Amino acid sequence: GEDVEQSLFLSVREGDSSVINCTYTDSSSTYLYWYKQEPGAGLQLLTYIFSNMDMKQDQRLTVLLNKKDKHLSLRIADTQTGDSAIYFCAERRDSNYQLIWGAGTKLIIKP
Amino acid sequence: NAGVMQNPRHLVRRRGQEARLRCSPMKGHSHVYWYRQLPEEGLKFMVYLQKENIIDESGMPKERFSAEFPKEGPSILRIQQVVRGDSAAYFCASSPPGQSLAVSGELFFGEGSRLTVL
Repeated sequence: GEDVEQSLFLSVREGDSSVINCTYTDSSSTYLYWYKQEPGAGLQLLTYIFSNMDMKQDQRLTVLLNKKDKHLSLRIADTQTGDSAIYFCAERRDSNYQLIWGAGTKLIIKP
Repeated sequence: NAGVMQNPRHLVRRRGQEARLRCSPMKGHSHVYWYRQLPEEGLKFMVYLQKENIIDESGMPKERFSAEFPKEGPSILRIQQVVRGDSAAYFCASSPPGQSLAVSGELFFGEGSRLTVL
């Protein structure tokens, strides 16, 4: 199976909060990332969290990290139509420049 | 202030032909990474290059695939004798010199080249 797992789809109503979840397997991960991919475009770094942190907030984005359960989440407050995209979780393992990627969660916004 | 530029955006090849994908990193960046994305799958690392050097090609198939990043010009990902299974989106990313995935680990991605093999 995948080293990094995400649900493929998430549907939310405009104005609600979106919570995108990710699980990973390697406890030596140093950094965890959320990238956003809009249709037909490349990936763009949204935010990242260092493995010794539990939470990071950046405007509408909140990242929560549960290292014990190897669970990462991205919460988007007041979801807007412009948030429609695929959100990728990625982990960087200790002493390794490579990122290991999840399959991406497609966020669908309902009016 | 151009970002990472990839071309072509779309490429159609028949089985057995060659595909060449180009990537110009962001200005000032000297690290280039190539990734492949299959439908409903995450990015898979292929190769990491610096100018004139292949640093890590552990993700490259042993046959038919090659990559280069010459002193002058873009990085090239070359796929010889393409097969249907090569159909995918190929993304290039770059990062600044002296910090291969530095502290933040930010990669700057191009818009991808979508290869379709008929």
